[in-house]
Amino acid sequence: DSGVTQTPKHLITATGQRVTLRCSPRSGDLSVYWYQQSLDQGLQFLIQYYNGEERAKGNILERFSAQQFPDLHSELNLSSLELGDSALYFCASSVRAGEATGELFFGEGSRLTVL
Amino acid sequence: AQSVTQLGSHVSVSEGALVLLRCNYSSSVPPYLFWYVQYPNQGLQLLLKYTSAATLVKGINGFEAEFKKSETSFHLTKPSAHMSDAAEYFCAVSFSGFQKLVFGTGTRLLVSP
Repeated sequence: DSGVTQTPKHLITATGQRVTLRCSPRSGDLSVYWYQQSLDQGLQFLIQYYNGEERAKGNILERFSAQQFPDLHSELNLSSLELGDSALYFCASSVRAGEATGELFFGEGSRLTVL
Repeated sequence: AQSVTQLGSHVSVSEGALVLLRCNYSSSVPPYLFWYVQYPNQGLQLLLKYTSAATLVKGINGFEAEFKKSETSFHLTKPSAHMSDAAEYFCAVSFSGFQKLVFGTGTRLLVSP
């Protein structure tokens, strides 16, 4: 158990819809990362938040947005969904206060299926 | 820009045989290098990491990797494969002070009896 919790584990929805994925990081971790894993694209970095502020942006579509709340949990919002958005979305956390090891702790992922 | 290249999307070995998974990196500054493992229906788990200390790094489950700057490589090895090693393995790179990891495309390890 990594200590990172993601909900929901599975989600099936239709094209054009909007979904929200939620992530609770390990206790004390200040950074949250979102990654998308698909068969054709591999593991792609989407976005990082550190202590509530956006720190880095990767290959995140404009239809996607994220935020980190004061309690450090994060949400990834996916809108106007397309078939190609079907993927496994991982949240990871790192950096307890005073610790910067470069190691990420991953949740088990949220599997999104767009029909 | 930083990147990692994993040679071979699939590697098949027999139980008890040597495991060698290849990773080459590209980085303009001294890198931090990682190997993660993903078992079916699970998230990624850290196997080992190189952070500029010893060049030979030992990880969990008997895996180790050697950082070779001259070859820009960080290959993962295990002397004797076990059936439970069947999983997907990802090499990743980051650099000091910045936690974002860039992952390779992954190598699926298949272990046959």
